[in-house]
Amino acid sequence: AQKITQTQPGMFVQEKEAVTLDCTYDTSDQSYGLFWYKQPSSGEMIFLIYQGSYDEQNATEGRYSLNFQKARKSANLVISASQLGDSAMYFCAMREASITQGGSEKLVFGKGTKLTVNP
Amino acid sequence: NAGVTQTPKFRILKIGQSMTLQCAQDMNHNYMYWYRQDPGMGLKLIYYSVGAGITDKGEVPNGYNVSRSTTEDFPLRLELAAPSQTSVYFCASSYSHEQYFGPGTRLTVT
Repeated sequence: AQKITQTQPGMFVQEKEAVTLDCTYDTSDQSYGLFWYKQPSSGEMIFLIYQGSYDEQNATEGRYSLNFQKARKSANLVISASQLGDSAMYFCAMREASITQGGSEKLVFGKGTKLTVNP
Repeated sequence: NAGVTQTPKFRILKIGQSMTLQCAQDMNHNYMYWYRQDPGMGLKLIYYSVGAGITDKGEVPNGYNVSRSTTEDFPLRLELAAPSQTSVYFCASSYSHEQYFGPGTRLTVT
């Protein structure tokens, strides 16, 4: 079963508008972490934001925020005030903390969403 | 700090050849990882290491080997290359939850 699901292969947004990229996850662990990475066309992976399963507040980093809904097992990325430089692939990832399930240090990635910001 | 460096950037191998992808980090991170990214897909973990002398398999380890003799270096060895190993390979390191990625190695096996 897929652990991370990103249902939007591609998204379009107008410059200066906000956009939400969806991510749902599947785990039976109580302790886990959720990540978003950006991959521009140049290919490098850039860490954006992290949310721990026990964090009560939604994570924010500048224009990025993570809408964490634990009961729904969703961890959507919200980008406010989109810029042309935000055009890239965005990957959601999860790390399960349970060592008995071979977790602790293993990140599992979704297939990604390609975001295009239009001028 | 150079961060995480990978060599080579590009490589074309013939089927059955072997090669080593190099990865080094200068941040004194204990954790290091190797991922592969196939076209249109997310990253999949090949192997990881939690410290010098300790390695473990990830999701897709078949056809690969690793070693970790120092904190800085984490080479990935491909034996008997196959077309299915055509991919972009990323090395990463971390000390907490954020993983720092290298620029990647684009490998083609023909």
